[in-house]
Amino acid sequence: DGGITQSPKYLFRKEGQNVTLSCEQNLNHDAMYWYRQDPGQGLRLIYYSQIVNDFQKGDIAEGYSVSREKKESFPLTVTSAQKNPTAFYLCASSIPRNTGELFFGEGSRLTVL
Amino acid sequence: GDSVTQMEGPVTLSEEAFLTINCTYTATGYPSLFWYVQYPGEGLQLLLKATKADDKGSNKGFEATYRKETTSFHLEKGSVQVSDSAVYFCATQGWNTGNQFYFGTGTSLTVIP
Repeated sequence: DGGITQSPKYLFRKEGQNVTLSCEQNLNHDAMYWYRQDPGQGLRLIYYSQIVNDFQKGDIAEGYSVSREKKESFPLTVTSAQKNPTAFYLCASSIPRNTGELFFGEGSRLTVL
Repeated sequence: GDSVTQMEGPVTLSEEAFLTINCTYTATGYPSLFWYVQYPGEGLQLLLKATKADDKGSNKGFEATYRKETTSFHLEKGSVQVSDSAVYFCATQGWNTGNQFYFGTGTSLTVIP
């Protein structure tokens, strides 16, 4: 089945460690996104990419990094510079400039111990 | 910039009650409007959408009408069920902001038998 796969579903990290969240899609979508979800704050855009080898910062990019070496993959690294990384992270994809929809993965919950 | 304001929750209703969740938006041009639903522990799924003024989106008994004159896209359902318990997000897709989506903070709905 086509869709977006995020892994791991749950991740625990010690302070000072970098962690990478995986996002893979087989929908053949050009655009991919990372959102952070915190209680009462909705979804905030971290990074997005509209094409391979290109990406842009969203509203809260500080302390995060991404790469887009393949169309199917858009991993997110949460670095030790991110002050408050405990959150629910959602990856999504879409067809650019289409009045269509975002397709979401099931999310990854990161907890910093 | 573009933004979405939606009714704060949580909302608790009895089964078969009428549901309204208010959503207003600020955007330039002609954005597309969406309602997404998030069930516990999952990513977001598209519930319905409308792409131009006076369009009505509908799905699973939910409806919302794109009102440009009041910049609103209120979600309604005539008779809610326990299975409708979830968090509902209103969102816009920018008309002249590339492919960016802007989300409201979400409204949690609990339906009790």
